[in-house]
Amino acid sequence: KAGVTQTPRYLIKTRGQQVTLSCSPISGHRSVSWYQQTPGQGLQFLFEYFSETQRNKGNFPGRFSGRQFSNSRSEMNVSTLELGDSALYLCASSAGTGVEQFFGPGTRLTVL
Amino acid sequence: GENVEQHPSTLSVQEGDSAVIKCTYSDSASNYFPWYKQELGKGPQLIIDIRSNVGEKKDQRIAVTLNKTAKHFSLHITETQPEDSAVYFCAAPPREYSTLTFGKGTMLLVSP
Repeated sequence: KAGVTQTPRYLIKTRGQQVTLSCSPISGHRSVSWYQQTPGQGLQFLFEYFSETQRNKGNFPGRFSGRQFSNSRSEMNVSTLELGDSALYLCASSAGTGVEQFFGPGTRLTVL
Repeated sequence: GENVEQHPSTLSVQEGDSAVIKCTYSDSASNYFPWYKQELGKGPQLIIDIRSNVGEKKDQRIAVTLNKTAKHFSLHITETQPEDSAVYFCAAPPREYSTLTFGKGTMLLVSP
């Protein structure tokens, strides 16, 4: 089976812009979770989607949003980018029955 | 919510030595404890996990032990090799069970 794929791998944006990141889960997996990874805060949970519905949400401002499509692919959007949004954004997929999560390679976002 | 503490933050060993990384968690309802390995430029890779109905699990040179009474679990790597050098993360699910709370990570350096 192919693993989790994320596009793009690298992004450079300026403050105030918005960005959309994409994640394709492992075939058959219906749950997609997003995490933000920074040197200072580590891995922090953003939100989780299961069957096109947001099932859980972390403690991030409303500028961070996401959605999931009927084929389980997911996108996350960050509006009005701030310098502090620079991070590695990781997507993880799960079959949904347990919590074994398998991560993609991440999207490295740099906000200038 | 769940709180996961991980120690040490850095660990240097000689090739062939053993390495032990420890984590504690706060939510007594947690019943699944994965360990991830993250190499530079890659997403976290699930290397081993344990559920609360067992006290120990082994997979070749790695093992995980769990003490539910004390609410801590540990990763043991024997006969370390330079390719074991990476950042290791422990995690535990909060009550929602579909997300993961991660420890801050341990940078393991194995010197030849």
